[in-house]
Amino acid sequence: EAGVAQSPRYKIIEKRQSVAFWCNPISGHATLYWYQQILGQGPKLLIQFQNNGVVDDSQLPKDRFSAERLKGVDSTLKIQPAKLEDSAVYLCASSLDPSFIAEQFFGPGTRLTVL
Amino acid sequence: DAKTTQPNSMESNEEEPVHLPCNHSTISGTDYIHWYRQLPSQGPEYVIHGLTSNVNNRMASLAIAEDRKSSTLILHRATLRDAAVYYCILRDVAAGGTSYGKLTFGQGTILTVHP
Repeated sequence: EAGVAQSPRYKIIEKRQSVAFWCNPISGHATLYWYQQILGQGPKLLIQFQNNGVVDDSQLPKDRFSAERLKGVDSTLKIQPAKLEDSAVYLCASSLDPSFIAEQFFGPGTRLTVL
Repeated sequence: DAKTTQPNSMESNEEEPVHLPCNHSTISGTDYIHWYRQLPSQGPEYVIHGLTSNVNNRMASLAIAEDRKSSTLILHRATLRDAAVYYCILRDVAAGGTSYGKLTFGQGTILTVHP
């Protein structure tokens, strides 16, 4: 079974530029998550999708971050404009459903460096 | 989400058992205990979860205290591949709305395995 795919794996940009990350979840997984992991910390949930609808975006900085999940499959996360503090690993995860026992499968992440 | 407390780091020797503790003194009756781990440069991966009874799977065992205020993840024979950050997470089965399915990661325990 193919895992969660993410691209690019690494990205370096200057502050105030824009950047986009792509995620392809495991086939058949209805729930998709984007996490931000700053160096030395645990991942923090940014946004959760159920199919193509947003379930939780309470920690998404909406003035600069946006995300969409077209047709309930692939998803993109965009930052515009980027700030220095956005340097982090952005992890995508998916699960069959959003239940409390459903295992979340994580992709390898995209490491963003903002200069 | 209820808070968990884990040691910052632990060390073990290869092929010896490892006991990773987690304190969750404010756990509620509807909180499930989940463990994830994150190998270097990878996304987190599911290890095990439980509610009240001890649980075993191919990766590890989970021992839950009778009062549920603490739990221990047991790796029966540590290998070099088990070197990772281990996260103990509480997930509330009764949570609705935006908390549904959410994983709230803490700092975790950095496990070092010596050859």
